[in-house]
Amino acid sequence: AQSVTQLDSQVPVFEEAPVELRCNYSSSVSVYLFWYVQYPNQGLQLLLKYLSGSTLVESINGFEAEFNKSQTSFHLRKPSVHISDTAEYFCAVTPYGQNFVFGPGTRLSVLP
Amino acid sequence: DTGVSQDPRHKITKRGQNVTFRCDPISEHNRLYWYRQTLGQGPEFLTYFQNEAQLEKSRLLSDRFSAERPKGSFSTLEIQRTEQGDSAMYLCASSLGRAGMNTEAFFGQGTRLTVV
Repeated sequence: AQSVTQLDSQVPVFEEAPVELRCNYSSSVSVYLFWYVQYPNQGLQLLLKYLSGSTLVESINGFEAEFNKSQTSFHLRKPSVHISDTAEYFCAVTPYGQNFVFGPGTRLSVLP
Repeated sequence: DTGVSQDPRHKITKRGQNVTFRCDPISEHNRLYWYRQTLGQGPEFLTYFQNEAQLEKSRLLSDRFSAERPKGSFSTLEIQRTEQGDSAMYLCASSLGRAGMNTEAFFGQGTRLTVV
C-alpha cells in the first residue's frame, strides 16, 4: 500500500518570500507523483506532475518540485510567493495504473 | 470538453434517508474515481472504475455505499441509510489510463452532503 506524508499542516509566509512544502511518500512499487492545489471554495486543480524524465518539474505559475527517489520525496517550492497563492496544497501518488493516494494537505497562507 | 461535472452540488438530507450522486467524467477518460473529503483533510479514496468495471474499493466503503458505472460513461454513488458521519464533500475524478500508466486525475467541483 502507498501512503503520503505532508509534515506541515499550515505554513504562513510573507509575500515575496520563498516557500517549501514538504511531501514524502511510501511505496513498494514505482509511482507517479502530483501536486494539486485547492483554492478556497473551489475544486482540486493539478499544479504539476512527475511521470518520468527530468526529476525537476515546473508549473506555469512559478512553482517547482523535485522528485528524489532515494529520499522518497517530492517537495514543492516557489522562490517568491504572492497573496494569490494562498490555498491548500495536496501531494498525491499513484502506482502505475492504479488509484491516487493523497496526503493530508498543507495550508499555505501568504501574508501581506 | 466541459470537464468533470457532478450533480447535485449540495445535498441536505435527514439521517436514515438514501441519497444518490451523479458524476459525468471527461468524455474520453476511461477511469473514474470517487473520493470523500472532510474539512481540513485530504481526499480519501473510495472506489474506482476502468470503463464499467469496478476495480478497487476502499475499506472505507461500507455496505451502505454502492457505486456503479453501467455503460462506462457516467457514474452514480449511492449512500443508503445516511448517518451524520457521512457528511462530507464527495469528489469525482477521471483520468485516461491503462495497465502500467495513468494520466493525472481531473476533479469535479464535488457534491457537499450534509446529514441532519
